[in-house]
Amino acid sequence: DAGVTQSPTHLIKTRGQQVTLRCSPKSGHDTVSWYQQALGQGPQFIFQYYEEEERQRGNFPDRFSGHQFPNYSSELNVNALLLGDSALYLCASSSPPGQGIHEQYFGPGTRLTVT
Amino acid sequence: AQSVTQLDSQVPVFEEAPVELRCNYSSSVSVYLFWYVQYPNQGLQLLLKYLSGSTLVKGINGFEAEFNKSQTSFHLRKPSVHISDTAEYFCAVTTITSGTYKYIFGTGTRLKVLA
Repeated sequence: DAGVTQSPTHLIKTRGQQVTLRCSPKSGHDTVSWYQQALGQGPQFIFQYYEEEERQRGNFPDRFSGHQFPNYSSELNVNALLLGDSALYLCASSSPPGQGIHEQYFGPGTRLTVT
Repeated sequence: AQSVTQLDSQVPVFEEAPVELRCNYSSSVSVYLFWYVQYPNQGLQLLLKYLSGSTLVKGINGFEAEFNKSQTSFHLRKPSVHISDTAEYFCAVTTITSGTYKYIFGTGTRLKVLA
């Protein structure tokens, strides 16, 4: 049973560029959440997708957007990259929100470096 | 709004000694609590969770945590640590809001086990 997978593992971009990160949830999960983890910090919630809709959003600007596909996989898009966007981006999958609290399973992350 | 405080950024401890990693939270509603471990260059792995019921929760790798509602704490303990326990540990809190949930993470505690 494959767990949560993310691609790419590493990425280097230049300020002002755009980036797309991808995530496939654990088998049986249909809810995907994205987190940003800056160096030496805890993960910060970006947003959560369920049934192809953004259900909840953290304190991130509109430059951060996402999408969920019918197969439950998800993309995180960041426009107009800033140096401060350099971080580990984590994807987590879980059971639907309506089924109560379930633990989130995390992928290995995508390390984004903005130069 | 919920928040999580991990009071110790680093905890050095000798192998086979006991360890306690502290976590305090604030919330005006019922919470669900988690401890995750992160090894270098990896995603987060769930150690244990408190959803309801017994306040003493046992997790993987010999870890346990106790939920203390009056002190709003959820400290993580292990009676005897191994070198392989060296990692970053994150405490997280979540509640259900409008049928969805998001995790709020602490800033992490780096556990370093010394030989």
